[in-house]
Amino acid sequence: EAGVAQSPRYKIIEKRQSVAFWCNPISGHATLYWYQQILGQGPKLLIQFQNNGVVDDSQLPKDRFSAERLKGVDSTLKIQPAKLEDSAVYLCASRGLRGSSDEQFFGPGTRLTVL
Amino acid sequence: GESVGLHLPTLSVQEGDNSIINCAYSNSASDYFIWYKQESGKGPQFIIDIRSNMDKRQGQRVTVLLNKTVKHLSLQIAATQPGDSAVYFCAEKGWMAGGTSYGKLTFGQGTILTVHP
Repeated sequence: EAGVAQSPRYKIIEKRQSVAFWCNPISGHATLYWYQQILGQGPKLLIQFQNNGVVDDSQLPKDRFSAERLKGVDSTLKIQPAKLEDSAVYLCASRGLRGSSDEQFFGPGTRLTVL
Repeated sequence: GESVGLHLPTLSVQEGDNSIINCAYSNSASDYFIWYKQESGKGPQFIIDIRSNMDKRQGQRVTVLLNKTVKHLSLQIAATQPGDSAVYFCAEKGWMAGGTSYGKLTFGQGTILTVHP
């Protein structure tokens, strides 16, 4: 079974520039999540989609972050303009069942460095 | 608000020893917990989960214990191997009003496990 795919794996930009990340979830998974993981911390949920609708974006800094999942499959997360504190790993996850466990499957993440 | 925290940020063990990683949570309404393993450069990987109607659950070389009285859970790894070296997170699943799960995970800070050969 193919896992969650993310690209790019690494990105370095200067502050005030824009950046976009792409995620392809596991086939058939209706629920997709974007997390931000700052170095030394656990992942923090930014936004959750159910198909192409937003379920929870309460922790998304909407003045600079945006995300979409137009066809209910792939998703993009954008930051415009980036700040130094946005340096982090951005993880995408999709949700499915494995046995009796309701599990989130994570992609490898995109490591963003803002200079 | 909800929070999930870990007692120790680092744990070093010798290969073959048993490891115990602890986690405290503050939301007494929490009823589903998951342990994740995160290796360098990778996303978190599901290890084992437990629901609040259980005190203990066992997997392959791993056991999770839940003590609802003191809001504490632990992950025990038997015969720890160098490949177990990683950061371990406990996470709590959130619920919408009305009891519908929407799957939001709240992660703790993490414990770095280092296994020495």
